[in-house]
Amino acid sequence: SVLTQPPSVSAAPGQRVTISCSGSDSNIGYNFVSWYQQFPGAAPKLLIYDTNSRPSGIPDRFSGSKSGTSATLAITGLQTADEGDYFCGTWDRKLNVVVFGGGTKLTVL
Amino acid sequence: QLKLVQSGGDVVHPGRSLRLSCEASGLTIFGYGFHWVRQAPGKGLEWVAFIWYDGSETYYADFVKGRFTVSRDDSKNTLYLQMDSLRVEDTAVYYCVKDLPTPRTRIGAPDDGWGQGAVVTVSS
Repeated sequence: SVLTQPPSVSAAPGQRVTISCSGSDSNIGYNFVSWYQQFPGAAPKLLIYDTNSRPSGIPDRFSGSKSGTSATLAITGLQTADEGDYFCGTWDRKLNVVVFGGGTKLTVL
Repeated sequence: QLKLVQSGGDVVHPGRSLRLSCEASGLTIFGYGFHWVRQAPGKGLEWVAFIWYDGSETYYADFVKGRFTVSRDDSKNTLYLQMDSLRVEDTAVYYCVKDLPTPRTRIGAPDDGWGQGAVVTVSS
């Protein structure tokens, strides 16, 4: 994948976890980032857009940030219902394609 | 509230063609760009193609360029993905989803409200 994410992260209920997404000047370094949450057998759901904005209905436990060519998704007050796969994505202005991270599997211990 | 309902997924032999449809309801597709994204079994998301709001521009991933064609019929509120010369490695769930432009680029990333997915299996 053009964007690099850790394959897995884990934390206990109630704790905070972060998921990183590393790219380059032509994608994350230039553009805003989106994050998606996906549960098994379901379509992805938009979690964060424009790097740090939440669609209506997404709790403020989820937040996004960016520094240089890396973006981060933070989840506080972890719940077992948060277990799933998380993907970052953005438009790459050099390649003229949408690029995604390989996905991170979140396990709430 | 935009709802996307997909159809057309099937099992086909390598080299054959298939056309996926993505019908929108709750919102006219006129004025919006749309993406097609796929996900192979057990794998991550893979962007496939994009069509501009008026169909004047299309973009494709290298691995489908020349084989897949994205189109739209605003009168039917429907998007299409024509897939020719299918390969085993094209086996995946294919999703259609509206574009969400960013403040910096006229083409952004997939918005919320993805279609339910169409299962395409290419096998001999």
